Amino acid sequence: EAAVTQSPRNKVAVTGGKVTLSCNQTNNHNNMYWYRQDTGHGLRLIHYSYGAGSTEKGDIPDGYKASRPSQENFSLILELATPSQTSVYFCASGDRDFYAEQFFGPGTRLTVL
Amino acid sequence: QQKVQQSPESLTVSEGAMASLNCTFSDRSSDNFRWYRQHSGKGLEVLVSIFSDGEKEEGSFTAHLNRASLHVFLHIREPQPSDSALYLCAVSIPTGGNNKLTFGQGTVLSVIP
Repeated sequence: EAAVTQSPRNKVAVTGGKVTLSCNQTNNHNNMYWYRQDTGHGLRLIHYSYGAGSTEKGDIPDGYKASRPSQENFSLILELATPSQTSVYFCASGDRDFYAEQFFGPGTRLTVL
Repeated sequence: QQKVQQSPESLTVSEGAMASLNCTFSDRSSDNFRWYRQHSGKGLEVLVSIFSDGEKEEGSFTAHLNRASLHVFLHIREPQPSDSALYLCAVSIPTGGNNKLTFGQGTVLSVIP
């Protein structure tokens, strides 16, 4: 069954440290997305990708980098983590079509102390 | 920039009573509307997608879109306690081959037996 998986599921990091969140999809989708979810804000788009080697800035990219080394994998990188980046992060994948559905992973809970 | 607002913030209904959720968006060129459900600590589950004015039914969920009034509604027929969750509205504007969703902040639905 097609799926989007994320690792780790929970992460505690220290301020100033580097954090990498990983996402893998078996849907063979071209597009992949990283969102964060905070109470009162719903989900907000951080970065997205059209395919291997491509990354694009979303609505709130500051403090985040992304990497898409292959069709299946999409990483979100926090070079210098800050407490304001404490959140739940969701990865999603979807076909390259405006009306295509997005399929979401289970989320990663990140706490930056 | 697109703004998406949901109301009410929380809603409590009795089992079997109709539940109605509201989503207001700001950009009339929006062309892609989705309702998601998120149980506590879980990922997002798409309930219904709608792309033109009118109604779209998926099981016990009906979406009603009126772009002139900038509203998309979700009606849940005969909700069960298992439908207690966070409901998220997402809206997208045509921008080439991707599907950048803007989410509302969500409505917490509680269904009491």
